[in-house]
Amino acid sequence: EPEVTQTPSHQVTQMGQEVILRCVPISNHLYFYWYRQILGQKVEFLVSFYNNEISEKSEIFDDQFSVERPDGSNFTLKIRSTKLEDSAMYFCASSSKLAGIGELFFGEGSRLTVL
Amino acid sequence: QQQVKQSPQSLIVQKGGIPIINCAYENTAFDYFPWYQQFPGKGPALLIAIRPDVSEKKEGRFTISFNKSAKQFSLHIMDSQPGDSATYFCAASKSGNQFYFGTGTSLTVIP
Repeated sequence: EPEVTQTPSHQVTQMGQEVILRCVPISNHLYFYWYRQILGQKVEFLVSFYNNEISEKSEIFDDQFSVERPDGSNFTLKIRSTKLEDSAMYFCASSSKLAGIGELFFGEGSRLTVL
Repeated sequence: QQQVKQSPQSLIVQKGGIPIINCAYENTAFDYFPWYQQFPGKGPALLIAIRPDVSEKKEGRFTISFNKSAKQFSLHIMDSQPGDSATYFCAASKSGNQFYFGTGTSLTVIP
């Protein structure tokens, strides 16, 4: 069964460092997303990406965040200068259609710990 | 502002019981209401979803009840099993893109 894969599964970093989280969406999907989940809290939308550009982003997705699809298969989330409050589980998701119409497939997440 | 409110935060039922998880939303523009199941260490997985043009949808042991006028929807799990023990999230979306998730319900089904 096709799946969304994410790396690394866990990353520990010092505050102020740059972090790149990687995702390989399901191959025929066109819509890509990043969500985050602070421990014990709800899943929060960060950004959606379609046709090589951001289609929507939340208030959380400020200038320290960026996304890229560098090679047609990977989908990356970069956090330029990490803060303690960026510690969370980051989920990549993909869909063959707009998420409100098609099923959203989530990866297993990348746990980021900022010290 | 919390777009989707979910309750209860946690729920313990005996095997065979019928846990019910409730969600309420604010934005009448929402047109898609999925429920996600999440096991520890895994990403959320779509369980069942409903659109506001129907009041109920059933898939296997899982049923969504939808009350458009009250802006509420709920998940019922019939004949619950220990394997159903997980965290359940409701969500709402308007025409794709951004999903708003509830705060999650941790369900424990006791054998």
